[in-house]
Amino acid sequence: GAVVSQHPSRVICKSGTSVKIECRSLDFQATTMFWYRQFPKQSLMLMATSNEGSKATYEQGVEKDKFLINHASLTLSTLTVTSAHPEDSSFYICSARLAEGTYEQYFGPGTRLTVT
Amino acid sequence: GQNIDQPTEMTATEGAIVQINCTYQTSGFNGLFWYQQHAGEAPTFLSYNVLDGLEEKGRFSSFLSRSKGYSYLLLKELQMKDSASYLCAVMDSNYQLIWGAGTKLIIKP
Repeated sequence: GAVVSQHPSRVICKSGTSVKIECRSLDFQATTMFWYRQFPKQSLMLMATSNEGSKATYEQGVEKDKFLINHASLTLSTLTVTSAHPEDSSFYICSARLAEGTYEQYFGPGTRLTVT
Repeated sequence: GQNIDQPTEMTATEGAIVQINCTYQTSGFNGLFWYQQHAGEAPTFLSYNVLDGLEEKGRFSSFLSRSKGYSYLLLKELQMKDSASYLCAVMDSNYQLIWGAGTKLIIKP
């Protein structure tokens, strides 16, 4: 149980375009989802915390107008990278927290974004 | 400030035992997690400790001492597939995970 999917797994886009990444909890309801970014050989960097039905809480230094997060249902959160630039190329990972339990986070498989 | 420290890299031999340490200083404590991450993949959950002591789960064990701000992950009977990064993360008083930089474990035959 507690499976999280992400789509797409890989995406290549041109500079200036926008890319949407979906994160779904497949067999549980997630009141809270998290979006991380990970650069090569570095640890996870939390970008934002997304609660169903409310605005996302962004970490310091993360531009909310550039990284649009929508958490419209208990099983779906989306991250849209707007006007992407090569420096946005990274591994984006979402995670979902069970509504009950140990507050463990279950991670999606990640999305490799390459901006050319 | 909040801080999680773990070694950057460790090397061990197949079949041996390795201990990966993690020390932390956080605002509040609601548990400590260990995750495994293979290159190019997302982290997978290994263990959760919120009380002092040792939690054993197969070949993997995790220990916590809250008074010392210290945890370790113990891997026994190492296999080549255990080569990965191991991430220590602490949940603070706001139930937010604070992540360590990860320990890259290299297993040699």
